[in-house]
Amino acid sequence: AQSVAQPEDQVNVAEGNPLTVKCTYSVSGNPYLFWYVQYPNRGLQFLLKYITGDNLVKGSYGFEAEFNKSQTSFHLKKPSALVSDSALYFCAARGGSARQLTFGSGTQLTVLP
Amino acid sequence: EAQVTQNPRYLITVTGKKLTVTCSQNMNHEYMSWYRQDPGLGLRQIYYSMNVEVTDKGDVPEGYKVSRKEKRNFPLILESPSPNQTSLYFCASSQRTGANEQFFGPGTRLTVL
Repeated sequence: AQSVAQPEDQVNVAEGNPLTVKCTYSVSGNPYLFWYVQYPNRGLQFLLKYITGDNLVKGSYGFEAEFNKSQTSFHLKKPSALVSDSALYFCAARGGSARQLTFGSGTQLTVLP
Repeated sequence: EAQVTQNPRYLITVTGKKLTVTCSQNMNHEYMSWYRQDPGLGLRQIYYSMNVEVTDKGDVPEGYKVSRKEKRNFPLILESPSPNQTSLYFCASSQRTGANEQFFGPGTRLTVL
């Protein structure tokens, strides 16, 4: 069975500082990994994905994520946080030919001015 | 504009009164899915559909039904809602599975009294 863990329910960071939101996964076969963001009263928006190739993936709004196969991790990062980045972030994973996408429990990011 | 629409956005109902939440996408996507979002649990998949007339159970299908008679529509049916189905529901679609990201609707907040 697939699983995704986001070990931090809440991450607080000061504006202008770098941010990291952690994610680890367990899937069968080659992983397809995704990050989504949810703003209040909105649906989930796609940020970025890892399919294959470079371990550092760049996405929307200046976000990037680092794939680490040995640690089965896919941490979301941004060099300089903005107050507008405050939102709920979800990591998701699908293994090989799996039909289902499995989501983590979400991490609430708060960027303090 | 490419989008996934859901109706209604908000619904308050009583135990046992059948209801349907509609979902429609205009991107000609083959894959559609329903999720429920509960605090601390992330998104859990209820049902998914690989194509017209092809549906399958997700992780939490009990108490729900779906149908896929047309490619664009994927309604979620609660034949006898119960209070434990109070939740935030999201419909999503994608071009097949694999590495393709899912596009999400705006969500339906359901309260069952």
